[in-house]
Amino acid sequence: NAGVTQTPKFQVLKTGQSMTLQCAQDMNHEYMSWYRQDPGMGLRLIHYSVGAGITDQGEVPNGYNVSRSTTEDFPLRLLSAAPSQTSVYFCASSSHPRVSNSPLHFGNGTRLTVT
Amino acid sequence: KQEVTQIPAALSVPEGENLVLNCSFTDSAIYNLQWFRQDPGKGLTSLLLIQSSQREQTSGRLNASLDKSSGRSTLYIAASQPGDSATYLCALANAGGTSYGKLTFGQGTILTVHP
Repeated sequence: NAGVTQTPKFQVLKTGQSMTLQCAQDMNHEYMSWYRQDPGMGLRLIHYSVGAGITDQGEVPNGYNVSRSTTEDFPLRLLSAAPSQTSVYFCASSSHPRVSNSPLHFGNGTRLTVT
Repeated sequence: KQEVTQIPAALSVPEGENLVLNCSFTDSAIYNLQWFRQDPGKGLTSLLLIQSSQREQTSGRLNASLDKSSGRSTLYIAASQPGDSATYLCALANAGGTSYGKLTFGQGTILTVHP
């Protein structure tokens, strides 16, 4: 059982470049989300989705776009990379949050460096 | 806005000791509270989930409690082992207002268990 799969594991970008971080889950989860983790800042929610075709902003959405065309996939796009976006990015999924006994499953993360 | 605080930020104990990690929160309108473990360079693994209506959950040497009235949760680890060394994070699934469905994380407690 693959769980939540993130690619790539590592990425280096130059300022102004764009790229897409991939996230896929095989658990038929409705809820998917993207977090960034920075030293001293903890985990911060970027965008989330409660089902195919539905997305919403989290705490730090600026500079990022998402779409949810299928239940399985939730890619995160960096439109024009900036050094402030250097971080570790985690994708996570679960059943709908209203299902109160549904734990969140995390991918192994993408470590992004913007120079 | 939900705020989550974890104390202590770091803890170092000898092997075999029982220990308690603390998590406090400001908004009791939650679906659940989860405790996660994160090893260096890895994603987060869900350890225990306590639903809003529950008081505690147990898994092996781990016991988590929830007191919504006081805005507190504790993670108790019995007979600690060097393999328990990791960062432990708590997270709340918010049920109220604009935070609906979003998880808010604490900054974590870095635990070191030395032989």
